[in-house]
This record gives sequence, C-alpha cells and structure tokens, in this order.
Amino acid sequence: AQSVTQPDIHITVSEGASLELRCNYSYGATPYLFWYVQSPGQGLQLLLKYFSGDTLVQGIKGFEAEFKRSQSSFNLRKPSVHWSDAAEYFCAVGAALGNEKLTFGTGTRLTIIP
Amino acid sequence: NAGVTQTPKFRILKIGQSMTLQCTQDMNHNYMYWYRQDPGMGLKLIYYSVGAGITDKGEVPNGYNVSRSTTEDFPLRLELAAPSQTSVYFCASSYGLTGDTEAFFGQGTRLTVV
Repeated sequence: AQSVTQPDIHITVSEGASLELRCNYSYGATPYLFWYVQSPGQGLQLLLKYFSGDTLVQGIKGFEAEFKRSQSSFNLRKPSVHWSDAAEYFCAVGAALGNEKLTFGTGTRLTIIP
Repeated sequence: NAGVTQTPKFRILKIGQSMTLQCTQDMNHNYMYWYRQDPGMGLKLIYYSVGAGITDKGEVPNGYNVSRSTTEDFPLRLELAAPSQTSVYFCASSYGLTGDTEAFFGQGTRLTVV
C-alpha cells in the first residue's frame, strides 16, 4: 500500500526567507506526486504535480518541487516566502497504474513571521 | 466558476441524530469523493463514486452512507451521529479516478457531534 510521510508538523519562517517542506513517499511502482495547499477555512488547492519527465516541477505561487527517486522524496521549495503563504501543505501520492486513489500525508502547517 | 459546493459550512449535531452533507459539482466530473480531516491525521477517504449509480468504500466508511443519483450530486449521510464523527468533511471531484488527475475540493463542512 502506498503511504506518505511529512515529518514536520509545524514550520515557522520569516517573511522573505527560503522554505523547504519535506515529503517522503512509499510506493512500489512509479508514483504520481502532488502538493496541495489549504488556506484557513478553505478547501485544498493543487500547487503542483509530478507524473514523469523533468524531476523539477514548477507550480503556482512561485513554488517548485523536486522528485528524487533514490530518496523517495518530493520536497516543496520556495526561494522567498510571503505572508500570504501561511497555510497548511499536504503532500499526496497516487498510482501510475490501476485505480488507486490519492493518499495524503498528515500535513505541515506553515507560519510566517514578519 | 462554482466548482465544488458543499452545504452546510457548519453544523452541530446531538448524539444519535442524523444529517446529510450536500455536495454539488458543475464540472461534469464523473469521479467524486468524500474525505474527513482530523487534526494531525491528514485526509482520510470515506467513500467515492466513479459515476452516477456507482459508489464504493474508502478507508473509513463506517457510520456513513452515500448515493449518487446524478453526475452533479454526491450527498453523504450520517445516520446515527457519534462524537467520533466530529471532523471537517471535504467533498472533491476529478476528471479521472486514478491518482494522476487533479482533485477539486469544496470549502468543507465543519461538523461537531455533542
């Protein structure tokens, strides 16, 4: 069965600083990987996704993520965070084949300080 | 651009009461999902549907029922509410079932059972 681990429950960064959110997955075949963001009181919105090809993927709001098969990781990065980036971030894994549904990680809450 | 619409946004139920959480999407997606989100637990899939008249259990289906009579609507029914069902419920829809398509989420229903 597939699984996702987000080791950081809560991260605090200063506005303008760089950000990296960690995500490790477990899946026996080629995974499909996603990052979703949830702003307070809102549903989840897709930031970016990786299916194949270039292992560095660009998303919305200036985010990027890098797929590293050898480390089973799909970490999310942003070079300079803005106060509006404060939210909860979820990594998710899906199956490349078959009819598996998405499996979500437990989320990382991001706090931005001035 | 309505997307996925959930009603109500908030609800307090007494133990043993029943209610239906409504979900409607206007994107003509065949696939729809119900998740619950508990603090520190991420999102867990309750039920999903691959089209009108077809539903299946997810990871945590006990205590819930669903129906899918139209492409647009996917209501979630709680028959005998229990405190363990206190959670935030999200409805989502997608073009494809496999984990390779973007899921669109509603804004959630916060349910408290007392």
